[in-house]
Amino acid sequence: GDSVTQMEGPVTLSEEAFLTINCTYTATGYPSLFWYVQYPGEGLQLLLKATKADDKGSNKGFEATYRKETTSFHLEKGSVQVSDSAVYFCALKKVSGGYNKLIFGAGTRLAVHP
Amino acid sequence: EPEVTQTPSHQVTQMGQEVILRCVPISNHLYFYWYRQILGQKVEFLVSFYNNEISEKSEIFDDQFSVERPDGSNFTLKIRSTKLEDSAMYFCAGHPGLAGQETQYFGPGTRLLVL
Repeated sequence: GDSVTQMEGPVTLSEEAFLTINCTYTATGYPSLFWYVQYPGEGLQLLLKATKADDKGSNKGFEATYRKETTSFHLEKGSVQVSDSAVYFCALKKVSGGYNKLIFGAGTRLAVHP
Repeated sequence: EPEVTQTPSHQVTQMGQEVILRCVPISNHLYFYWYRQILGQKVEFLVSFYNNEISEKSEIFDDQFSVERPDGSNFTLKIRSTKLEDSAMYFCAGHPGLAGQETQYFGPGTRLLVL
């Protein structure tokens, strides 16, 4: 079945370091891909998305490119801040009969230290 | 900016008891979802709901689970007889459903602990 695999955390970085969180997926057809972020005590927020191959989603300095050939959607940021500390979830969207459901990875906790 | 809200934020219950988790979606949303995350595991789809009907449900969503939108605003998930393995964070989500407006907006979650 369809699935998403993320690198395990926690990822611990110093402020201004480069971030990569790996995400690969298995799916039939052409799913849309997402990164959601969960800050402490809050719900899941959409960080960025890409709906077709070679699309690049970007937001708040984060980027991810939909790579169909490697079935990947790795999240990157050039210079992380303490405020980026959160749990990051990669997800794909399956459309079934006109309705959507998200299939999530396990989440990767990021801790950024000053 | 409108938000999805969920109550309670935390609930502790005894095995076999009924629990009702409540969600207030954003007012113009038409499609609704419940997901759960067992501690340390993936966020899993439970059920989707549209036009007062379940549109899809996962294998997890057995006869012990039900959903309803009783008053046009609240969207509830009921677990009739809780089991230890129902302990998880439960997330509600929704979206307007119009073309190009299919991004799901999530609530902060309810942490359920079954003892």
